[in-house]
Amino acid sequence: ETGVTQTPRHLVMGMTNKKSLKCEQHLGHNAMYWYKQSAKKPLELMFVYSLEERVENNSVPSRFSPECPNSSHLFLHLHTLQPEDSALYLCASSQDRQRPFGEQFFGPGTRLTVL
Amino acid sequence: AQKITQTQPGMFVQEKEAVTLDCTYDTSDQSYGLFWYKQPSSGEMIFLIYQGSYDEQNATEGRYSLNFQKARKSANLVISASQLGDSAMYFCAMREGNTNAGKSTFGDGTTLTVKP
Repeated sequence: ETGVTQTPRHLVMGMTNKKSLKCEQHLGHNAMYWYKQSAKKPLELMFVYSLEERVENNSVPSRFSPECPNSSHLFLHLHTLQPEDSALYLCASSQDRQRPFGEQFFGPGTRLTVL
Repeated sequence: AQKITQTQPGMFVQEKEAVTLDCTYDTSDQSYGLFWYKQPSSGEMIFLIYQGSYDEQNATEGRYSLNFQKARKSANLVISASQLGDSAMYFCAMREGNTNAGKSTFGDGTTLTVKP
């Protein structure tokens, strides 16, 4: 595997389900990100992990819970979601220590539908 | 106030012609990075080009160049010799902040359609 991979690619879940999105980067990067992309809305940064420590949480509802066990893996645990949470969830990674910041490499995304 | 503004929701260009996609930004940081990404209908975001705030030369990557005007806070993407495969959504983004990974902000995007 190369680059950034995400599983599953598509997910349909009910509002009472619990599921997890997985992201893995094979680039040796030290920062990972979760983004939400809804129709007709700009890309929204949800969480940032740098050196496995969460450095950014953009007022994301607690029904989204990130986990970064190591620098290569990032999870987004989902529970009791709402239909408006249906979106494309993109994972990205970058190599950052100090500015200037490196470019982010994105995974293919998980298309989530909440019924 | 919006940090990244892309004023063109949609653009059309004839194949083999050049096209400019506009991007203006707002930051009080002295050190920041500006990026352009392409998102085809498949959904994957593809990095195209980067400009650092201290870079004196405009960035170029193959058919892509970035027209960086720091005083105007603009970072327009120029695509030369457009190809049909260039049809996609294009996002301008900025990274700033004091944390190691910085804070990313994306514009609303511009949908580019290349006509044969």
